[in-house]
Amino acid sequence: QSALTQPASVSGSPGQSITISCTGTNSDVGGYDYVSWYKQHPGKAPKVMIYDVSNRPSGVSNRFSGSKSGNTASLTISGLQAEDEADYYCSSYTRGSTLVFGGGTKLTVL
Amino acid sequence: QLQLQESGPGLVEPSETLSLMCSVSGGSISDSSSYWGWIRQPPGRGLEWIGSIFYTGRTYYSPSLKSRVTISVDTSKNRFSLKLSSVTAADTAVYYCARLGPYFRSIDFWGQGTLVTVSS
Repeated sequence: QSALTQPASVSGSPGQSITISCTGTNSDVGGYDYVSWYKQHPGKAPKVMIYDVSNRPSGVSNRFSGSKSGNTASLTISGLQAEDEADYYCSSYTRGSTLVFGGGTKLTVL
Repeated sequence: QLQLQESGPGLVEPSETLSLMCSVSGGSISDSSSYWGWIRQPPGRGLEWIGSIFYTGRTYYSPSLKSRVTISVDTSKNRFSLKLSSVTAADTAVYYCARLGPYFRSIDFWGQGTLVTVSS
């Protein structure tokens, strides 16, 4: 299985909105609504921000939202804040009953 | 609050077998809504799912690592383990153990991670 495709980096200014894409195939992203998004600070374990495409776990800011169209899922962060600067990873359940991650996107808050 | 803690050698010689254990506290590894898994991250690189296990012993492995990976569970001791054979420098990474939901839809609890270096 190949890793899901994410942009290597995105950036935005405080207060702006950014979107990170995550492209797979109909065997993973397109075939199941089991896409998750994780935020990771350097040296720390990842934290789930979105699961099941668009659901936010308790305690996650409503500035984070997720969506999916076809084989591409997206994470949108609105009202960008300095604390949002981190690496973001998507993941998807696959037809083979496995899990695949995206390559990761480094978000820089300008 | 569920807590996971990895343990094992931080240095493994090439061609040997990497062995790690994950101890689970604050909850039961026999919870029917939980899957338990291993994820790794080479230095400066992205996350890679290694495999997962259900408390019954049913396993799921990454196709790219399947031939070298064994994950097992010990419900009596509330822990699960990873064995990765024939390691090379490419297996040097931070290894995380974690709890996953059904269909691996959410990894909501992670261990702190342990760095394993493959070197002679």
